[in-house]
Amino acid sequence: KNQVEQSPQSLIILEGKNCTLQCNYTVSPFSNLRWYKQDTGRGPVSLTIMTFSENTKSNGRYTATLDADTKQSSLHITASQLSDSASYICVARQSEYGNKLVFGAGTILRVKS
Amino acid sequence: GAVVSQHPSWVICKSGTSVKIECRSLDFQATTMFWYRQFPKQSLMLMATSNEGSKATYEQGVEKDKFLINHASLTLSTLTVTSAHPEDSSFYICSESRGGRNEQFFGPGTRLTVL
Repeated sequence: KNQVEQSPQSLIILEGKNCTLQCNYTVSPFSNLRWYKQDTGRGPVSLTIMTFSENTKSNGRYTATLDADTKQSSLHITASQLSDSASYICVARQSEYGNKLVFGAGTILRVKS
Repeated sequence: GAVVSQHPSWVICKSGTSVKIECRSLDFQATTMFWYRQFPKQSLMLMATSNEGSKATYEQGVEKDKFLINHASLTLSTLTVTSAHPEDSSFYICSESRGGRNEQFFGPGTRLTVL
């Protein structure tokens, strides 16, 4: 069964601290993996996209890693800011069967001062 | 800047009425757009794939007669929730796919509340 599981479900950190969010996927055949940031009441915004040949990709203070062998990905946020408070969604894309996106349930991050 | 817009951003309606949500591609001719629904504290669920000039493709369990999709132009897709009921209250999000990696750009979403 194609699934994407994220952990933790929610996280609270202090402003300025780093954090890492985890994603495990069982999507097959695998095309690419995406991380999105979704602010409350808004649509998701893309942070990174990685294919199976890419191990890491950065976007400002966000760094995503991908291990296609273990089917794991992580999103590391450096020097967190209050504006990082949002839901972070991991999404895996199939390369066949309609190229469907399989969404994780998201990790709700709250950064407090 | 935003590449996909939605209108309205929120709507409140009475049970039994129909509501139309518009999704516009701002700088791209999107032959395919996607409609998602998101319930509180849950992730996005694909409802249907909207194809310009042809019928939409609905996901299993989504009633095509209840959620009418029209994709009459390359920049506009509409979702009409017919005879809305309180259980249809949700956050509806559209997206378009572009580029070699089929990167998806999501609209800002429409909050529907059915009383």
